[in-house]
Amino acid sequence: EAQVTQNPRYLITVTGKKLTVTCSQNMNHEYMSWYRQDPGLGLRQIYYSMNVEVTDKGDVPEGYKVSRKEKRNFPLILESPSPNQTSLYFCASSPGRYNEQFFGPGTRLTVL
Amino acid sequence: AQSVTQPDIHITVSEGASLELRCNYSYGATPYLFWYVQSPGQGLQLLLKYFSGDTLVQGIKGFEAEFKRSQSSFNLRKPSVHWSDAAEYFCAVGNFGNEKLTFGTGTRLTIIP
Repeated sequence: EAQVTQNPRYLITVTGKKLTVTCSQNMNHEYMSWYRQDPGLGLRQIYYSMNVEVTDKGDVPEGYKVSRKEKRNFPLILESPSPNQTSLYFCASSPGRYNEQFFGPGTRLTVL
Repeated sequence: AQSVTQPDIHITVSEGASLELRCNYSYGATPYLFWYVQSPGQGLQLLLKYFSGDTLVQGIKGFEAEFKRSQSSFNLRKPSVHWSDAAEYFCAVGNFGNEKLTFGTGTRLTIIP
């Protein structure tokens, strides 16, 4: 089944404790992206990647890192999480530029 | 910078009634547009998309949307809503020329019997 998977689905952590949210797609998509969803703000793009080793900042990249060492994986790294990063995070992939994006199920992160 | 406005935060519609959700975008170049739906606790599912050609596009679940360049709008419509349509709806706009996709803030749809 073609899908985007994210792990973990739920995470509660404390301020400053490094964490990684994994994202993987099995559709051989070139484009991958991370979004955060907050009430009243919709989805805001954090980072995106056009292909392996090619990443770029979205609208709200501060406090986040990403890497794209393999085509299928696009992990989101929070080196020192803070409470304002409490949010619902979505990973998405797309066959390329100007295409629809396929979304993962989301990761609900709480930073205490 | 491109932006997307969904002016209605919350809409309540009776089951069987017609629906129109508004989406306006702001960008000078040629846009491509999407409508996504998010059911409670779920990810986003694509309803329909417009890239070029016929400005009235059909999507899944009986939805349609019309691209009106003169009004910078891409409103979503359904002639008769079902209780299962209760969800949050997001309009998204991209621009040929960059990789960025901008989402609106969403419209939450409630269906009453």
